[in-house]
This record gives sequence, structure tokens and C-alpha cells, in this order.
Amino acid sequence: KAGVTQTPRYLIKTRGQQVTLSCSPISGHRSVSWYQQTPGQGLQFLFEYFSETQRNKGNFPGRFSGRQFSNSRSEMNVSTLELGDSALYLCASSPGGGGTGELFFGEGSRLTVL
Amino acid sequence: EDQVTQSPEALRLQEGESSSLNCSYTVSGLRGLFWYRQDPGKGPEFLFTLYSAGEEKEKERLKATLTKKESFLHITAPKPEDSATYLCAVQALGGSYIPTFGRGTSLIVHP
Repeated sequence: KAGVTQTPRYLIKTRGQQVTLSCSPISGHRSVSWYQQTPGQGLQFLFEYFSETQRNKGNFPGRFSGRQFSNSRSEMNVSTLELGDSALYLCASSPGGGGTGELFFGEGSRLTVL
Repeated sequence: EDQVTQSPEALRLQEGESSSLNCSYTVSGLRGLFWYRQDPGKGPEFLFTLYSAGEEKEKERLKATLTKKESFLHITAPKPEDSATYLCAVQALGGSYIPTFGRGTSLIVHP
């Protein structure tokens, strides 16, 4: 069974640009969550999508957005990039339903903002 | 607000030297506590779920235990391949079920 796939794995952007990251969950998983991981803050929850609807949202500015498609694949977008957005962005999937802490993570997209 | 504190931040062990990692938590009601392992450059990998005080789970050289205020991840006779960052997360009863993660303990096991 294929795991969670994230693309791209690495990317470099400059301040003010925007970026789109993609996540393909495990087949059959309907919930997709996004996390930002930095050395200083650890894993911070961005948002969760279930059946194309944003079900939960973390405490991040509106520059961070996401969506989920009918095949459960998800994308997140960060507009007007800032230096502080440099981080590892992790996508995690789970079967969904009532919500579980047993998440299956992808390998992440490493974003560097110059 | 749910809080998760892991200690120590970093731990160096010799191969075969057993030790424990701590995860203390503050949550209004615990739905579940989770341990993950994260290797450099990779996403976290799920290890265990614990639901109630007194519960224990084991996997190879790892054993996770839970009390009402903290969880321990015991590593018995570790090997270099156990080197990783170990993350703890808690999920609260009611409200959002999104787990809150601690900052992790970076474990290095020297041969």
C-alpha cells in the first residue's frame, strides 16, 4: 500500500512569492492534515480537510490556505512568502470519521524562503 | 490550552544503555496519547497509542507507559538504529480532536 506522497520535496522561493504544495494521501484515507515543522516551534497544526471541507484550522494567518479534491488529494498554498515561512511542511492522512491521533505522515516539503 | 512538554530535549546513549524519555501533558480530558518516531529528513512515523493511566504498549526495544500526568518511552538496550527524534502528542476529549505535539527528544545512540 503506497504511503503519503508529497511534492515537491524541496523548493526555494524568494520573499513575496507564493508556493503550492501537494499531498496524495493513502488510498482510502479521507482526512488530510497539514503541519508546519520548525526547530523553534516544533510541529504546528495548519488545517485539516475531510471530504473536501476544511474541518479544523490552526492559528496561522490567512496567507496559508488549502483545499482538498474529490479524490482526497490536497494542496496547500502560501502567498506573499516571508522569511519565517521557511520550514518543513508535512502532510498527514488518516481514515477520517471521528478523528484519530494515529496519523500517517509524508516525508514533507522543505521550503526555503530567501 | 493543551500543553505537551518533552524531556530531555536531547539524549546521548551508548549502545546497550537503557533509558527513558518523558512526556508530561496538561489536557482537560485525555482522549489519547501518541508516540511517533521521526528520522532526519522524513516525516514522523506512528509508534503507539495509549488511552488510559496504567496502560502499556511494547514494540521491540520500546515500551510506552501512561500515568494521569505523563508518559514514558522506555528504551531497553538501544541500538544505533534507534537514533531518531521521538515525538509525543495528546488528543483531548471534546472540542477539536487535533493532536497537540511536543517538541520532541532527539536521541543519539553511539555504537
